[in-house]
Amino acid sequence: EIVMTQSPATLSVSPGERATLSCRASQSVSSNLAWYQQKPGQAPRLLIYGASTRATGIPARFSGSGSGTEFTLTISSLQSEDFAVYYCQQYNNWPRSFGQGTKLEIK
Amino acid sequence: QVQLVESGGGVVQPGGSLRLSCAASGFTFSSYGMHWVRQAPGKGLEWVAFIRYDGSNKYYADSVKGRFTISRDNSKNTLYLQMNSLRAEDTAVYYCAKGDTVTWGQGTLVTVSS
Repeated sequence: EIVMTQSPATLSVSPGERATLSCRASQSVSSNLAWYQQKPGQAPRLLIYGASTRATGIPARFSGSGSGTEFTLTISSLQSEDFAVYYCQQYNNWPRSFGQGTKLEIK
Repeated sequence: QVQLVESGGGVVQPGGSLRLSCAASGFTFSSYGMHWVRQAPGKGLEWVAFIRYDGSNKYYADSVKGRFTISRDNSKNTLYLQMNSLRAEDTAVYYCAKGDTVTWGQGTLVTVSS
């Protein structure tokens, strides 16, 4: 099973600033990596797939990069609605696996 | 619009069984693989199971293999998760998701407790 490790566990950033979240896979997942946003009491929302492609309707301030084992989600200028928990997930191998999440909180 | 609605959650004793359903609408259900994903209270997401569009292949997390069975009825546009030998650690909100994970249901809570 591929283990996905996200860092940091919690990230404190001020509105308008940039946030950089990391995700590492225990073995290569090529570009088969997705990022999700989850707010309290809601289902996850797909942000990025294929490591760098924004899902439909996702603002351009969200960008993804990386391949193989190292991935990054960048939010260029944080808006109030962006404070949430973010998960990465690999879909290169079965079983699928999620990272443990990064909580993005207001500084 | 594309919609997924889970049902069947509730409180069950350890060792018991429960069957979850996920009713799909707004898309051609028979053309898409489907996932179950769960989230224990206050914890992260855990992928549980996947079934291909025609039911030909199924995949499971190690934590549920041998106890849970994913299935589908394309004539009823419905996905199922049969959960047997339930344990306290299976307590979670269970979400169904369309294969491309763009669309998720609202989740149904399963509580395993005596």
